[in-house]
Amino acid sequence: AQKVTQVQTEISVVEKEDVTLDCVYETRDTTYYLFWYKQPPSGELVFLIRRNSFDEQNEISGRYSWNFQKSTSSFNFTITASQVVDSAVYFCALSEEGSGGYQKVTFGTGTKLQVIP
Amino acid sequence: GAVVSQHPSWVICKSGTSVKIECRSLDFQATTMFWYRQFPKQSLMLMATSNEGSKATYEQGVEKDKFLINHASLTLSTLTVTSAHPEDSSFYICSASYRIYQPQHFGDGTRLSIL
Repeated sequence: AQKVTQVQTEISVVEKEDVTLDCVYETRDTTYYLFWYKQPPSGELVFLIRRNSFDEQNEISGRYSWNFQKSTSSFNFTITASQVVDSAVYFCALSEEGSGGYQKVTFGTGTKLQVIP
Repeated sequence: GAVVSQHPSWVICKSGTSVKIECRSLDFQATTMFWYRQFPKQSLMLMATSNEGSKATYEQGVEKDKFLINHASLTLSTLTVTSAHPEDSSFYICSASYRIYQPQHFGDGTRLSIL
């Protein structure tokens, strides 16, 4: 069974600090995708990144970077020089092929990030 | 970018009422739509996966007769909470994906309050 673990439930940092959100996953599939989503206080979920299981290249997008380590089944997310607008709950998610060929997505429990001005 | 519209955004109604929530993909064809439920300060719990033209696949523990899902077209899926009770009060979120493994694009959610 697939599982996504985000051990950090809440993190507080002071503005401009760097912060890393951890995500560890479990799957038996060789083909899968990993995602990060942001949920600000307003409630809507915003897609941040998708990574497939065959691509372990790290990715950087502005102040955001992601580190995918297949050997440790981790897909960590770092925000550099954090800003107050980064305050939100961040979800890591794993997508596999479920029964019938359809997509099955499992979300982690989320990490609430509070950036203090 | 892909846009998913969810309506209504907020519903308050009496116990015993049935409530329908619509989820529309506005600028792409969604072969798969997902319905989630989220309790305060908790993660998203997948309720069901809806594929256009076929019956929804419900997660274990989710009552099919209670939460009716219809995905009649590639741009519309509906969730009907039948005979809603206070314990059904929650934040319901839909998402849509145009192909397997593609990112899900989420609606803004519906806050359902049953009195």
